[in-house]
Amino acid sequence: QVQLVQSGAEVKKPGASVKVSCKASGYIFTTYAIHWVFQAPGQRPEWMGWIRTGNGDTNYSQKFQGRVTITRDTSASTAYMELRSLRSEDTAVYYCVTALSTSSDYWGQGTPVTVSS
Amino acid sequence: DIQMTQSPSSVSASVGDRVTITCRASQGISTWLAWFQQKPGKAPKLLIYSASSLQSGVPSRFSGSGSGTDFTLTISSLQPEDFATYYCQQAYSFPYTFGQGTKLEIK
Repeated sequence: QVQLVQSGAEVKKPGASVKVSCKASGYIFTTYAIHWVFQAPGQRPEWMGWIRTGNGDTNYSQKFQGRVTITRDTSASTAYMELRSLRSEDTAVYYCVTALSTSSDYWGQGTPVTVSS
Repeated sequence: DIQMTQSPSSVSASVGDRVTITCRASQGISTWLAWFQQKPGKAPKLLIYSASSLQSGVPSRFSGSGSGTDFTLTISSLQPEDFATYYCQQAYSFPYTFGQGTKLEIK
């Protein structure tokens, strides 16, 4: 069965960076694109960007453009999301998702990131 | 960016009730619309994709309809496990965007 397992919770200071991993199993990694979704406490989910796992092409939300980088390691069936210059508003749960909002939509368990001085 | 607006923001209902949630897009999105259910502390769960296609494993009491700018999610007979927050999401163009959510509460 398809499974996405994300790295654990992080606590960071303002201005720091965080890199969240998302390890896929149960399918051929390059079959589905992987999206990253951000959800601040009590707020709606927000799409951050995606990566075509086959060729590495990416597309980012303008909201995070310049601060976010999504990469993948096909040999490890793992995608990564790095967010830089963290601020308090980045405190949220970050999810990776395969093929978001299609019949192949599978979500990771979420990685809480807290930004606090 | 395409704005997604849901109504109502919250609704109280009883087990067995029929509930309808609406979602409006700020521009036409054909049928590129999904519905998610989210419970506290959990990831969103896909219920409906392509406006009206039921995701595998989702009970048939959930149904979706609409195209263009106006969409609906209907739960035909509420069950206790259906009390949650529901989000619509457009997959027509980047950035994908979500509605503000509808909280379904027990009356």
